[in-house]
Amino acid sequence: KQEVTQIPAALSVPEGENLVLNCSFTDSAIYNLQWFRQDPGKGLTSLLLIQSSQREQTSGRLNASLDKSSGRSTLYIAASQPGDSATYLCAVMNYGGATNKLIFGTGTLLAVQP
Amino acid sequence: DGGITQSPKYLFRKEGQNVTLSCEQNLNHDAMYWYRQDPGQGLRLIYYSQIVNDFQKGDIAEGYSVSREKKESFPLTVTSAQKNPTAFYLCASSIVNNEQFFGPGTRLTVL
Repeated sequence: KQEVTQIPAALSVPEGENLVLNCSFTDSAIYNLQWFRQDPGKGLTSLLLIQSSQREQTSGRLNASLDKSSGRSTLYIAASQPGDSATYLCAVMNYGGATNKLIFGTGTLLAVQP
Repeated sequence: DGGITQSPKYLFRKEGQNVTLSCEQNLNHDAMYWYRQDPGQGLRLIYYSQIVNDFQKGDIAEGYSVSREKKESFPLTVTSAQKNPTAFYLCASSIVNNEQFFGPGTRLTVL
């Protein structure tokens, strides 16, 4: 059974720092991995989607990497800003079984201090 | 504007009552999903649908029901059989096996 873990559960950094959020998964047979951002009381905003054949994806100050063999993904945020404060969730879609099913981690709560 | 809408934003349910949460999308996506989010837990899949008039149970379908009569709409009914319905409910849609996009959510509270 696929399990997704995100460490740390919470992170506080000063503005301007580069930071890395971690996501690990137990079954490497994934179809894709998606990173989301969630602000308090709001829905999820898709940040990046990495297909299983890709190693990384970039969008602005965000860079996500994927290492299927080790069951790990990282989300790198460059030059963090207070507006980046939110909960960041990763989710994986497995091959086989129920298609389109995302399995979520519990998230990392990020606070960027001005 | 293209996107996913959910209504209402807040919903209150009395004991023994059925309530229906609305989800509409104009992204022309075939697949739609309902998730439940509880504090300290990851999102859990309730139901999903890959095509009109077809849907499958997710991990926590007991006490919930859905319909998919139109491509754009995927309403979720929380029945009185769901004993602990207080949660944040999120609807999503996607092209099959591709990036999922989420609505703003409905917060359901049992009175």
